[in-house]
Amino acid sequence: DAKTTQPPSMDCAEGRAANLPCNHSTISGNEYVYWYRQIHSQGPQYIIHGLKNNETNEMASLIITEDRKSSTLILPHATLRDTAVYYCIVRVVGSGGSNYKLTFGKGTLLTVNP
Amino acid sequence: EAGVAQSPRYKIIEKRQSVAFWCNPISGHATLYWYQQILGQGPKLLIQFQNNGVVDDSQLPKDRFSAERLKGVDSTLKIQPAKLEDSAVYLCASSLYPGSTIYFGEGSWLTVV
Repeated sequence: DAKTTQPPSMDCAEGRAANLPCNHSTISGNEYVYWYRQIHSQGPQYIIHGLKNNETNEMASLIITEDRKSSTLILPHATLRDTAVYYCIVRVVGSGGSNYKLTFGKGTLLTVNP
Repeated sequence: EAGVAQSPRYKIIEKRQSVAFWCNPISGHATLYWYQQILGQGPKLLIQFQNNGVVDDSQLPKDRFSAERLKGVDSTLKIQPAKLEDSAVYLCASSLYPGSTIYFGEGSWLTVV
């Protein structure tokens, strides 16, 4: 079962920042926060992941609270092409063992409006 | 770098027929996953391979679904016989090793009528 809680939908104006929240109050110390998005008719696309420090890449920024119980994905300047379902997933990461599967919830449908 | 390749992209079959989906992972990726995504839901893991061995197939309906990855590269997912409830998108994904970032293909859309 998914260990995260996300709002089912959000709206954002084009050109503005989109801030997508995620609650993961039962996260374990060895679990990372991953974000994927799925544009209609496509496979999930990896966005970013982090453990406890804030992370930024060319697509987005990830802000994780100090207690790690929640996080926010930030798309700094949303475009119409960012309309998608965004999934927040907690996942163990490592090189040993075998069970590091992604367990998806229902995600947040972000609609970017012109 | 080429991504995860899947085929066919779309398939329509009648119930009780069989269907096979093919996946070629990103070059060098040892771990391969098959997910099922029913409309309106998030993807659900069906099976995970590490090289040519099965790591996790606990959610695979083994009475009708089978999957193989004989040479540790390409993989095939088969459904026989298909049921109406198998209508879904079948997503293949791969990662360099089990704990690294997972990348998905575009998916194979199956409609069972």
